[in-house]
Parts: sequence; structure tokens; C-alpha cells
Amino acid sequence: AQSVTQLDSQVPVFEEAPVELRCNYSSSVSVYLFWYVQYPNQGLQLLLKYLSGSTLVKGINGFEAEFNKSQTSFHLRKPSVHISDTAEYFCAVRFGGATNKLIFGTGTLLAVQP
Amino acid sequence: DTGVSQNPRHKITKRGQNVTFRCDPISEHNRLYWYRQTLGQGPEFLTYFQNEAQLEKSRLLSDRFSAERPKGSFSTLEIQRTEQGDSAMYLCASAKLGGGDIQYFGAGTRLSVL
Repeated sequence: AQSVTQLDSQVPVFEEAPVELRCNYSSSVSVYLFWYVQYPNQGLQLLLKYLSGSTLVKGINGFEAEFNKSQTSFHLRKPSVHISDTAEYFCAVRFGGATNKLIFGTGTLLAVQP
Repeated sequence: DTGVSQNPRHKITKRGQNVTFRCDPISEHNRLYWYRQTLGQGPEFLTYFQNEAQLEKSRLLSDRFSAERPKGSFSTLEIQRTEQGDSAMYLCASAKLGGGDIQYFGAGTRLSVL
């Protein structure tokens, strides 16, 4: 079955420290990969996407992610976090084929502490 | 481009009542999606339209749920005979055909069934 796994439900980190949020997905011939951020009581905002081409993609707010096909991963990174980065982060995958739906992970709460 | 608009933002209803939510997609986006998000989980796909045609429905979409997009613009999601288990955030997203089908989300409608 197609699935997306975010192993860390919560990641506490101090301000200005680097962070990595992990995302793995079930193997598929083709995938389109996304990271979304959700602030409290709001919808999802697109952070970045991988559709094709370079495996290192850069997004908004200084975030970047790397597509690793052999490890079926798409981890999100930021070299230095701010208090304002505190939010829920969701990894989403569109598996190639007849479907256009996104399958989401369960989310990771990034808690930035001063 | 005013983004995806969802109304109402919040809905409180009693068990057994019918509710209807509206989604206005980004103009010229011909694909429209509905997702449901419960507390602590990632969004789960419900259904998808391309123009006015409903092309995919999840098994989560029971007979009590119906979605329409009559003119290929706005969409409505109706839940009949609501149950407490229907309490969730209902998210709408829209996308433009081609270009990676990147989905942009609205702020959601939070439903509370008492």
C-alpha cells in the first residue's frame, strides 16, 4: 500500500540551531514530493516541491529538501531555525499513476525554543 | 489571485443535522480536491474534480457525504445526518492542470458535531 512515514511526531530545537525533519515513502516508480507547513488553525502552505530534475530543492523561509530515490526519502532541512518556524510540517506524496491525490504523513511538530 | 476560499470557517452542529461547506478555488484552476484532517493526523483525501467531473472518490466518503462542482468553479461538500465522528477540519485545495498539479490549500472549515 502507498504510504508516507514521518517518524518524528515532535522535534524540539533551540533557536538558531539546524534541524532535519524526516520523511520516507513507500517505493514507487514515480513520485512527486511536497512539504507543507501548517500554523495553528490555518490551512496548509506549500514550502517546497520536487517534481523532477535536481534532487536538492529549495523552498520558502530558508528550507530545503533532498530527494533520495534509493532510500525513498525526502528529508526537510534548515540550517538555522527561528521562533517563527514553530509549526506542524507535513510531507506529502503524489504517487505516479492514475491518481492525483496527495498522501500525507502524520506530521511533525517543530517546536523552536529560545 | 486571492487564494482558495472556504466558508464557513467554523461550523457547530447537532448530531443528525445536515451541513454544507463551500470552496472557491483559485481562478483558472480546473482541479479541485477535498480532504479531511482530524486532530493529530495528516489530511486524508476525500474526492477530486476536474472541471465539473468528479473523477475520484475515497472509500472514506460514505453515502452520507456528497460533493458537487456544478459549473466547474466553486464546489460544495454536504454531510447528511452528521455524526460525532464527522468532527474534523475539512480542507479544500485547487490545482491547475499540468505544471506538476501543485495543490494550493484553503484555510479549511472546522466542523464540530455535538
